[in-house]
Amino acid sequence: QVQLQESGPGLVKPSETLSLTCTVSGGSISGYYWSWIRQPPGKGLEWIGFIHYSGTTNYNPSLKSRVTMSVDTSKNQFSLNLNSVTAADTAVYYCARYLTVSGYSYGLDYWGQGTLVTVSS
Amino acid sequence: QSALTQPASVSGSPGQSITISCTGTSSDVGGYDSVSWYQQHPDKAPKLMIYGVSNRPSGVSNRFSGTKSGNTASLTISGLQAEDEADYYCNSFTSISTWVFGGGTKLTVL
Repeated sequence: QVQLQESGPGLVKPSETLSLTCTVSGGSISGYYWSWIRQPPGKGLEWIGFIHYSGTTNYNPSLKSRVTMSVDTSKNQFSLNLNSVTAADTAVYYCARYLTVSGYSYGLDYWGQGTLVTVSS
Repeated sequence: QSALTQPASVSGSPGQSITISCTGTSSDVGGYDSVSWYQQHPDKAPKLMIYGVSNRPSGVSNRFSGTKSGNTASLTISGLQAEDEADYYCNSFTSISTWVFGGGTKLTVL
């Protein structure tokens, strides 16, 4: 059974960089697309971006200037960096895997439990 | 990119059927068969309920079904049960190779 676990600081200061890692267990990171999604308290889901195990990425246009994702296949991990954070970036951050059929992605079938990141001084 | 449009709330009585709509454009919902639906209970991670417009993952009840017509996708839940009370989100691939979520719909089982 594939499991995902987010890790990283729960508190980040304004203007600094939010850094999270997602560790994949029970399966290989290879062959799939992976995603980060966030949810501000009491609000809806927001797609942040995806990364392919090969390193190909694409990001939400509204966050593109501040987001970087990377992958480490040797550790079965992928990571999110979001710089110049403000209070508006306070959210539960989820990592997830894309269900892929014949090379096409159709949805997010495995999710981490989520980690709350608060931006505050 | 703009969020897909969902009703803020829907409700139904046990045993009834409800439908949640998800409206986008020809650049997302209408252009691709990559619409998915997620169920989220309070303080839990979302759960995939429908992928590829109308496919159910293994283990998801056949009371959940998905369709698409033009730029609008729909999730129907039949035989409503108390445990179905949750937030539901749609998600679609877009023409710029990104993904976009709907604003979410709160389902209340009366």
